[in-house]
This record gives sequence, structure tokens and C-alpha cells, in this order.
Amino acid sequence: EPEVTQTPSHQVTQMGQEVILRCVPISNHLYFYWYRQILGQKVEFLVSFYNNEISEKSEIFDDQFSVERPDGSNFTLKIRSTKLEDSAMYFCASSGHSKALEQYFGPGTRLTVT
Amino acid sequence: ELKVEQNPLFLSMQEGKNYTIYCNYSTTSDRLYWYRQDPGKSLESLFVLLSNGAVKQEGRLMASLDTKARLSTLHITAAVHDLSATYFCAVDPPNTDKLIFGTGTRLQVFP
Repeated sequence: EPEVTQTPSHQVTQMGQEVILRCVPISNHLYFYWYRQILGQKVEFLVSFYNNEISEKSEIFDDQFSVERPDGSNFTLKIRSTKLEDSAMYFCASSGHSKALEQYFGPGTRLTVT
Repeated sequence: ELKVEQNPLFLSMQEGKNYTIYCNYSTTSDRLYWYRQDPGKSLESLFVLLSNGAVKQEGRLMASLDTKARLSTLHITAAVHDLSATYFCAVDPPNTDKLIFGTGTRLQVFP
């Protein structure tokens, strides 16, 4: 069964460093998303991406964040200068079409900023 | 601002018992999703409820949607330990692709 994959599973970085989180969405999906979940809290939407551009972003997704689909398979989230409060689990998701029946979530990347 | 609230936040129940988790949301939406999350793991899709009055069942879990009341329920029948997890409901507001998640209900089933 097709699935969303994410790498790395765990990333530890120092405050102020840049990190890139990688995702490979399901191959025939067109819509891509990033969510984050701070430990013990609910899942929060960050950004959605379609047709090589951002279609929607939340207040959390400020200038420190960027997304890219550098090739036909990868979807990346970059945090330019990490802060302590960026520590969270980051989930990538994909769906086949807009207002999809389901968004399929990857296993997540745990980001720890020290 | 759209709010999605779940009740209760924490539920400890004995095996064999029944219970219901409630999900209230503050804006119109014709679709509601239920996800399960095990500790340290990703979100597993359980149910997609597409219209008012929708009811879906899978094993010991049954989900329903009342769009007029902006309420969804997840009913657990004869709970077993394997159901222990955190359950999230999520809503997709009109004119948007994002999901707004509820606060989550952490379920613990004990013998």
C-alpha cells in the first residue's frame, strides 16, 4: 500500500541552525501539507502546497519557514534559523485532490532544538 | 477563529465498557475526520464522515456526524486494551484544504 515517508525520523539541531525536513508523498497525489505537533498538544496546520506554490499557510508559517518541491518526488520543509519553540513533531501529508476525502500522514520527524 | 473541541480530554475505562467521545466544532463543515495516534507515532485515519447523518462503524468503533449541531461522536463498544491511544477529530473549513484538529482524547483501557 502506498505511503508517505519522511526523513529523518529524528533531528537534533542547535538554536539558530537551518534544518531541512524531507517528505516523499504518495506518488499520484497532487496536494501536500505540513503539520506540526508540539509534545502533548494537538496537531496544527502549517502550510499547503499545490502546483508548485503555496496555496495556504498559517500564522505559524512565518518568514523562517519555506517549502519546496525540488523534483518530482520530494517535498521539503526548511526552517532557516531554528528556535527552541520549533521543537515538535513535524508531519507531512498528501492527498489526491483538493478537498480530499483523506489526507495521508507520514510517520513524522521529531525535531529537537537545543 | 474556528475551534474544534473534544470531550473528554482524558478517558480511563475498563475493558468491556462502552463510552462516547464528543467532538464539537464552531463553523460549518460537511466533513469530519477521525484519526488515531499511538504514542510517538503518526496519525492513522479511522473514519471520514461526509454528510449530515453519516454513520460509520469499524470493529468496536462507531462514528457519527450531525452537521446541524456541529457535533460528531466516536462511540466505543466493549473496549479492549488495544484501543488505548489518542483520538483526534478534524474538520476542514469551507474554501480551504487544511484540517483543523481537535484537542485530542487520550484513551486508556485497563483490565
